[in-house]
Amino acid sequence: EAQVTQNPRYLITVTGKKLTVTCSQNMNHEYMSWYRQDPGLGLRQIYYSMNVEVTDKGDVPEGYKVSRKEKRNFPLILESPSPNQTSLYFCASNPWGGDYGYTFGSGTRLTVV
Amino acid sequence: KQEVTQIPAALSVPEGENLVLNCSFTDSAIYNLQWFRQDPGKGLTSLLLIQSSQREQTSGRLNASLDKSSGRSTLYIAASQPGDSATYLCAAGTNAGKSTFGDGTTLTVKP
Repeated sequence: EAQVTQNPRYLITVTGKKLTVTCSQNMNHEYMSWYRQDPGLGLRQIYYSMNVEVTDKGDVPEGYKVSRKEKRNFPLILESPSPNQTSLYFCASNPWGGDYGYTFGSGTRLTVV
Repeated sequence: KQEVTQIPAALSVPEGENLVLNCSFTDSAIYNLQWFRQDPGKGLTSLLLIQSSQREQTSGRLNASLDKSSGRSTLYIAASQPGDSATYLCAAGTNAGKSTFGDGTTLTVKP
């Protein structure tokens, strides 16, 4: 089944403890992107990648890192999480350039205490 | 900076009614415009994508139109059903990969 898989689905962590949220797609898509969704602020783009080894900042990149060493994976790294990074995170992928919309993962609900 | 606005924020209609959801964007230099559906507690499902060179796309009871010059897109839902109840989001994308989402319209279709 074609899908974007995020792990974990739920995570509670403490301030300052490094964590990684994984995102993997099995559709050979060039484009991948991370978003966070917060009540009253909507969906905001964190980082995106047009292909392997190509990444760019979205609107809210502060406090996050990403890497794209292989096409299928696009992990989101929080080096020193803070409570203001408590949010619902989504990963998406797309083959780019055609009429296909983005495929989203199921989301990761992160709580930083 | 691109800003995307969706009006209304919430909409309640009786089953069977045709309805229009609106999306406006401030920067007309977009690469594509997408419409998504989000059910409570779930991820986003892509409904329609309109490339900047296109005027509309259709899928079943859904029709999305794009007017770049006026910075507007509309999502038309025909013969609405209770199963259409969800939040509908639009997103304006650039050819460099940036995407900006609206805050969504929460639709309730009453039986």
